[in-house]
Amino acid sequence: QITLKESGPTLVKPTQTLTLTCTFSGFSLTTTGVGVGWIRQPPGKALEWLALIYWDDDKRYSPSLKSRLTITKDAPKNQVVLKMTNMDPVDTATYYCAHRRAVYGDWDYWGQGTLVTVSS
Amino acid sequence: QSVLTQPPSVSGAPGQRVTISCTGSSSNIGAGYSVHWYQQLPGTAPKLLIYGNTNRPSGVPDRFSGSKSGTSASLAITGLQAEDEADYYCQSYDNSLGVFGTGTKVTVL
Repeated sequence: QITLKESGPTLVKPTQTLTLTCTFSGFSLTTTGVGVGWIRQPPGKALEWLALIYWDDDKRYSPSLKSRLTITKDAPKNQVVLKMTNMDPVDTATYYCAHRRAVYGDWDYWGQGTLVTVSS
Repeated sequence: QSVLTQPPSVSGAPGQRVTISCTGSSSNIGAGYSVHWYQQLPGTAPKLLIYGNTNRPSGVPDRFSGSKSGTSASLAITGLQAEDEADYYCQSYDNSLGVFGTGTKVTVL
């Protein structure tokens, strides 16, 4: 059974760097085609795709946030880390990590999400 | 900012059929990327509802169905039930980058 769980700070100050960790089980990030990604959702707003890392370390980023995002993986630890620099109050959101299936590219398993508030 | 456009809301009485459109362009849905749909109940993470345009994961009732044509896709809910009241999002790829729809709130009258 696939599970994912996000961890990290619940409160960050403006201009700080946010570091979120996704710890997963039930699959391997060394399996061809598999990916893990990050999606966020500001309170009361729509989902926003942020970043994706594939089994072969290929990385993709949202064009609007690319300069602020870094996604990395530690396959043996079953973890994916997302860093977002220069946090702003508009970045307040629930951040989800999710498992991307190889064949169709859908997100079939999601973490519970973690609410990150940006405030001084 | 989203490149996939959905109606903000749709509503229907129990038992009725409702559809949600997802309009894209030639760089995403029209480029051949599959469309997936997610249901999000209040306070919970999104749940995969339809994948690969038309396929239902195990456990999803067959009153949910998906279709795709050209640069658009649709989600249909037949026999609307109270528990279907939720937010629904389409998702695809645009030049290999993930994109979500603007989201649609389904209200059961």
